[in-house]
Amino acid sequence: EDQVTQSPEALRLQEGESSSLNCSYTVSGLRGLFWYRQDPGKGPEFLFTLYSAGEEKEKERLKATLTKKESFLHITAPKPEDSATYLCAVDYGGSQGNLIFGKGTKLSVKP
Amino acid sequence: GAVVSQHPSRVICKSGTSVKIECRSLDFQATTMFWYRQFPKKSLMLMATSNEGSKATYEQGVEKDKFLINHASLTLSTLTVTSAHPEDSSFYICSASLRDPQAFFGQGTRLTVV
Repeated sequence: EDQVTQSPEALRLQEGESSSLNCSYTVSGLRGLFWYRQDPGKGPEFLFTLYSAGEEKEKERLKATLTKKESFLHITAPKPEDSATYLCAVDYGGSQGNLIFGKGTKLSVKP
Repeated sequence: GAVVSQHPSRVICKSGTSVKIECRSLDFQATTMFWYRQFPKKSLMLMATSNEGSKATYEQGVEKDKFLINHASLTLSTLTVTSAHPEDSSFYICSASLRDPQAFFGQGTRLTVV
């Protein structure tokens, strides 16, 4: 069964304390992996798309990497405003209707 | 990025009434929009795929008579929760894509049925 698992479920960091969020997947025929940020009571906000193993994308303090089994979202020197839930989603069919979402990692960054 | 607007952001309704949620793509034409439901600490669950000018495609287990979807134009899709019950209370999110499958999401609608 196709599955997307995110860990940890929740992560508390001090401001400036770098860490990584994990998204592992068991999907055959991966077409793409997406990272989203979701603030409470809001819809997800697109961050990155990764298509092939070895690919990396960066945006400000965030860096996403992809292997054949998992993706990492590295956050460097986080700030309180980075606090949010980070979702990953895997596309296995080339259509948005084939996105499988993980449950998310809730990140809290304390000043 | 593309902008998708969802309205209302919050709604409280009485049990047995119907509620309409609108999803608009503001700066692009979306031939396909998607409706999701999100429970606390759960994944986003796709409810249905909304195609302009045709009937929506519902995921298994989603009642099409309860969750009416209309995609009247290339920029507007609506989800109507009919005869709402407390168990329908949830966070509903729409999305649309410019380049499949990259998605842009609306702000979400928190529905509370009392």
